Amino acid sequence: DAMVIQNPRYQVTQFGKPVTLSCSQTLNHNVMYWYQQKSSQAPKLLFHYYDKDFNNEADTPDNFQSRRPNTSFCFLDIRSPGLGDAAMYLCATSRGPGNIYEQYFGPGTRLTVT
Amino acid sequence: GENVEQHPSTLSVQEGDSAVIKCTYSDSASNYFPWYKQELGKRPQLIIDIRSNVGEKKDQRIAVTLNKTAKHFSLHITETQPEDSAVYFCAASTRNTGNQFYFGTGTSLTVIP
Repeated sequence: DAMVIQNPRYQVTQFGKPVTLSCSQTLNHNVMYWYQQKSSQAPKLLFHYYDKDFNNEADTPDNFQSRRPNTSFCFLDIRSPGLGDAAMYLCATSRGPGNIYEQYFGPGTRLTVT
Repeated sequence: GENVEQHPSTLSVQEGDSAVIKCTYSDSASNYFPWYKQELGKRPQLIIDIRSNVGEKKDQRIAVTLNKTAKHFSLHITETQPEDSAVYFCAASTRNTGNQFYFGTGTSLTVIP
């Protein structure tokens, strides 16, 4: 059974055209993360939610925004995609609070910017 | 923030030999250290993890060791098989910084049959 679901799996957008990536989870986890992973590189944390508490990484560009309307869903909005934003975007979840728990990754959305 | 370094970046071993990948971290408050295996085009998959109150953990052919004083941890794969070929990432996390996970730069492991 899918636990962390990402839609779409592949997204093509035009330079400067806003795009939204979706993540949902059936685990009822408190924490949801968004990572950007470029080819042959490590996943880079963009931001995460601890319940409704939003935590932005210091070097995440303003072009990237996120929304978490409820426990199950989290969205990544890229306001004006540039060619450099082409990457795999990974959503992950983990249980909390009280301790550090393992992350569960979704299958990722591969974003192409034309 | 946390800085995780990983070595080597590429590693080739003969089938049946052992592989060792090493990581160092900078934040002494980090207390959870997972290792992920990522095959091409797929999501990272947790293969083993260790917490700071433990020095070593083993799961069949995979083991992880942690030296808190030196702030380094290592992944050991014994009796390697071709299906172990993948990119391996270490990571470090601490609840103190809000449950962020910081990844090493990855090691591309090739097991030669």
